[in-house]
Parts: sequence; structure tokens; C-alpha cells
Amino acid sequence: AQSVTQLDSQVPVFEEAPVELRCNYSSSVSVYLFWYVQYPNQGLQLLLKYLSGSTLVKGINGFEAEFNKSQTSFHLRKPSVHISDTAEYFCAVKKKNSGYSTLTFGKGTMLLVSP
Amino acid sequence: EAQVTQNPRYLITVTGKKLTVTCSQNMNHEYMSWYRQDPGLGLRQIYYSMNVEVTDKGDVPEGYKVSRKEKRNFPLILESPSPNQTSLYFCASLGRPERNEQFFGPGTRLTVL
Repeated sequence: AQSVTQLDSQVPVFEEAPVELRCNYSSSVSVYLFWYVQYPNQGLQLLLKYLSGSTLVKGINGFEAEFNKSQTSFHLRKPSVHISDTAEYFCAVKKKNSGYSTLTFGKGTMLLVSP
Repeated sequence: EAQVTQNPRYLITVTGKKLTVTCSQNMNHEYMSWYRQDPGLGLRQIYYSMNVEVTDKGDVPEGYKVSRKEKRNFPLILESPSPNQTSLYFCASLGRPERNEQFFGPGTRLTVL
């Protein structure tokens, strides 16, 4: 089984500051990694995903994440946040090459961007 | 527009009164799934379906039923809702598994009094 730990439940940050949202995972097999974003009163939207290849993955809205296999981490970063980035962010994993197997989500990190 | 729709978006009900939350996708996806989202717990899968007439339990199936009679629809049924089922519910669908992108509906906020 897989598990995902998002170490911070809330991250407050000022506008235009950099941010890193941390995600660590545990799995006995190789996994795919995902970050989803949930804006207020909306469903989840895929931000980026790591399937293979380059460990630095770029997503929408200027976000990027780096897969670190030795540290079993997939931290999400943005060099300069906007007020509109205020949302909840979920890290998720899925067994590699497993077809329709389930996504396992972390508990989420609420990013609060203030002026 | 490719989308997953859920109805209703908001529902307040009382203990024991059967309800159904509908989910529909227009992307011809094989896989559909229901999650509940609770503060501090993230998303937990309730049930999923890999195709018509094929459903299976997720992590928290107790108190829920589903059916998949048509590819596009995957309703969630609460036969006898209880207050601990007060939650935010999301339906999701997935097309080709190698694309690895689930599409989520907008959510249904359910309150059981």
C-alpha cells in the first residue's frame, strides 16, 4: 500500500514571496506522483504530474515540483505567489503501470496568500 | 466541454431519509469513482467502477451504495444517512489509464441532521 504525508496543514505566505509545499510518500513499489489544486468551492484540478523522465516537472500557473526518489519526496514550489493561488493543494500517488488503480491522497495543505 | 457534473451541489437532509447524488461524465470514460473529503483527512475513496456493471469498494464504503448501469452515470446512494456522513463528496472519472489524469466534479456538500 501507498501513503502520502503532507507535512504542513497550512502555509501562510505574503504575495510575491516564494513558497514550497512539502509532500513525502511511502511505497514498496514505483509510483506516479501528482499535485492537485482545489480552489474555494470548486473541484480538484490537476496541477502537475510525474510519470517518468526528468525529475523536475512544470505545471500550470507557474508551479513546479521535483521528484526525489532517495528522499521519497515530491515538493511543490512556486517562486512568486499571487493572491489567486490561495487554495488547498493535495499530493497524490498511484502505483506505476497499474491501470485503473486508486489514487492515494495526502491530507492537503492550505496555502494562504495575503497582500 | 468535457466535464463531470454532480447534482445536487448542496443538500441538507435528516437522518434515515434515503438520498441519491448523481454523477455524470461526457468524456466516455471507463473509470469512475466517488470520494469524500473531510477536514484534516484529505480525500478518501468510497467506491469505484472500472466499467458498466463493475463496481468495487474503496477505503470507506460503509453506508454507501453505487450503481453503474450506463457508462456516463455513477450515482451514489445513501440508503439511511447518518450525521457522520456529513461531508463534501466528489465524483471523478478517468479515461485512458496511461494518461493518469482524473477529472473531478464540482462537489456535493451534504449535511445530515
